[in-house]
Amino acid sequence: DAGVIQSPRHEVTEMGQEVTLRCKPISGHNSLFWYRQTMMRGLELLIYFNNNVPIDDSGMPEDRFSAKMPNASFSTLKIQPSEPRDSAVYFCASSNTGTSSETQYFGPGTRLLVL
Amino acid sequence: KNQVEQSPQSLIILEGKNCTLQCNYTVSPFSNLRWYKQDTGRGPVSLTIMTFSENTKSNGRYTATLDADTKQSSLHITASQLSDSASYICVVSPFGGGYNKLIFGAGTRLAVHP
Repeated sequence: DAGVIQSPRHEVTEMGQEVTLRCKPISGHNSLFWYRQTMMRGLELLIYFNNNVPIDDSGMPEDRFSAKMPNASFSTLKIQPSEPRDSAVYFCASSNTGTSSETQYFGPGTRLLVL
Repeated sequence: KNQVEQSPQSLIILEGKNCTLQCNYTVSPFSNLRWYKQDTGRGPVSLTIMTFSENTKSNGRYTATLDADTKQSSLHITASQLSDSASYICVVSPFGGGYNKLIFGAGTRLAVHP
């Protein structure tokens, strides 16, 4: 298995632009997670899906952030409009059933820089 | 407030030496505690996961211990290798909480020098 796939790996954009991050979870996994990691705040859970349905988006910082999972093999995290404080590494992870005792498998991350 | 604190923030050791990383938490009750390894530029990889009733869990040269009474966990690395250079993150899951309740430590950055 190729593991969790994220694209792009790096993104540089200007403030105000729309940014779309993509994720393909491990085949057969039912749960998908979006995280953000910064030096100041460490890892933060933004949102997670179970069977393509958003379960909790309380970690999403504000309305500029939105996430979708149209099918079991694809998810997007969109930031519109982007701001410099959104600069971070965004990770996607997936797990088999989504229980908190289960291992999550992380993708390589997307490093976002908003100028 | 539920917190997870890790120490030291950073550590440098020589190849072949052992080291121990600490994780203190205030989360109570909790369901499980994880240790992740994160190489530079990569996503975290799970090393161990322990429930509140477990005292120790090993994964090769990595051994995690848990003392639920003192709310402390440690990650011991034996015979360190250059490839152990990474950040190690402690994550606690509160009892009854979903993934949205995970509490992440800030991590310990380990550098293993030849």
